[in-house]
Amino acid sequence: AVQLTQSPSSLSASVGDRVTITCRASEGIRSGLAWYQQKPGKPPKLLIYEASRLESGVPSRFSGSGSGTDFTLTISSLQPEDFATYYCQQFNSFPPFTFGPGTKVDIK
Amino acid sequence: EVQLLESGGGLVQPGGSLRLSCAASGFTFSSFAMSWVRQAPGKGLEWVSTISGSGGSAYYADSVKGRFTISRDYSKNTLNLQMNSLRAEDTATYYCAKDGRIVSPASGEFDSWGQGVLVTVSS
Repeated sequence: AVQLTQSPSSLSASVGDRVTITCRASEGIRSGLAWYQQKPGKPPKLLIYEASRLESGVPSRFSGSGSGTDFTLTISSLQPEDFATYYCQQFNSFPPFTFGPGTKVDIK
Repeated sequence: EVQLLESGGGLVQPGGSLRLSCAASGFTFSSFAMSWVRQAPGKGLEWVSTISGSGGSAYYADSVKGRFTISRDYSKNTLNLQMNSLRAEDTATYYCAKDGRIVSPASGEFDSWGQGVLVTVSS
């Protein structure tokens, strides 16, 4: 099964900061990667699919890049509502679909 | 508007059974694969099971294979998860999730999620 790692596991940032989260797959998954945002007590929300495609309704400050084994989620200017945990997920090779361990973004 | 509403959670003893349901609306239910994803308290997301739009293909995580059964009822637009031989490590919030694209058997990116239902396995 494809394993995903994320770095960092947590970060502290200020409103307006540029934030970058990386996700690495244990084997090549082409562009079969999604990014989700989850706030406490809420279900995950799809932000990015196919590595770089922005889900409808998601602000353009979110972007994704990468293919193969290395992927990046970037928030160009962090907003107060962006403090949350972010997960990557691969869907190129299943079963199983696998999620990364998550990156918690909190306020500096 | 897509809506997914889970039900059936609760407290069950180890070795017991529980059946979760997810009522779906706002989209053509038979066109999209559906999945269950769980999250143990304070932990990350874990994929549990997926069923194709036609219901002809079902997939399970190794951790639940042989104990859980996913199914769908097209007359009620409902996704189900029958959970048997429950263990303490099955304690989690269970989410149903809809595929983002019409792909057979499944696309695997989840564009809509229910609010989740808590399953607690404890004596």
